Amino acid sequence: LAKTTQPISMDSYEGQEVNITCSHNNIATNDYITWYQQFPSQGPRFIIQGYKTKVTNEVASLFIPADRKSSTLSLPRVSLSDTAVYYCLVEYNNNDMRFGAGTRLTVKP
Amino acid sequence: NAGVTQTPKFQVLKTGQSMTLQCAQDMNHEYMSWYRQDPGMGLRLIHYSVGAGITDQGEVPNGYNVSRSTTEDFPLRLLSAAPSQTSVYFCASSYSEKHSYEQYFGPGTRLTVT
Repeated sequence: LAKTTQPISMDSYEGQEVNITCSHNNIATNDYITWYQQFPSQGPRFIIQGYKTKVTNEVASLFIPADRKSSTLSLPRVSLSDTAVYYCLVEYNNNDMRFGAGTRLTVKP
Repeated sequence: NAGVTQTPKFQVLKTGQSMTLQCAQDMNHEYMSWYRQDPGMGLRLIHYSVGAGITDQGEVPNGYNVSRSTTEDFPLRLLSAAPSQTSVYFCASSYSEKHSYEQYFGPGTRLTVT
């Protein structure tokens, strides 16, 4: 059974790098991993997406090892405004979208 | 562009009542979907559509119906509401059902069934 697992919560301080790992068993060769950010009373917002190795954009990096059974979202130098819930999404076997339960990141001053 | 809009923002229903949650997008996206979000469970896919006239079930479809008569609209119907359907519902859209396209989410509808 496809399952996407991530830590429930993480704490960090301003200026630190934060790494959030997602485990995704049964991921297939063509399945993508996507990360979303959600603030209270809002819908999730796309952060980054990857398929293999490393992807970087202006806000985050995504690391995917060769076996692709996990992936890591890296947020460089977080600020208070990065306090949010972060979701890992894996699309298993086309259109079977499985979100993780979300990781609540709290950034402290 | 308004993006993805959802109405209503809040709704309270009694058990057994029916209602329709509205979702519309103005980005000409082919793919639209409905999720429910419950504490500790993330978002779970209810139904999705890859284009007008085409719908399919997601992970938790029981108790919900959908239709897609136009590209823009994708309403979610609860025929007989149950307390287990108390949740926050999100509609999303993307350019294509291909996994390489990001999804745009609406602001959500908070539904309480008593």
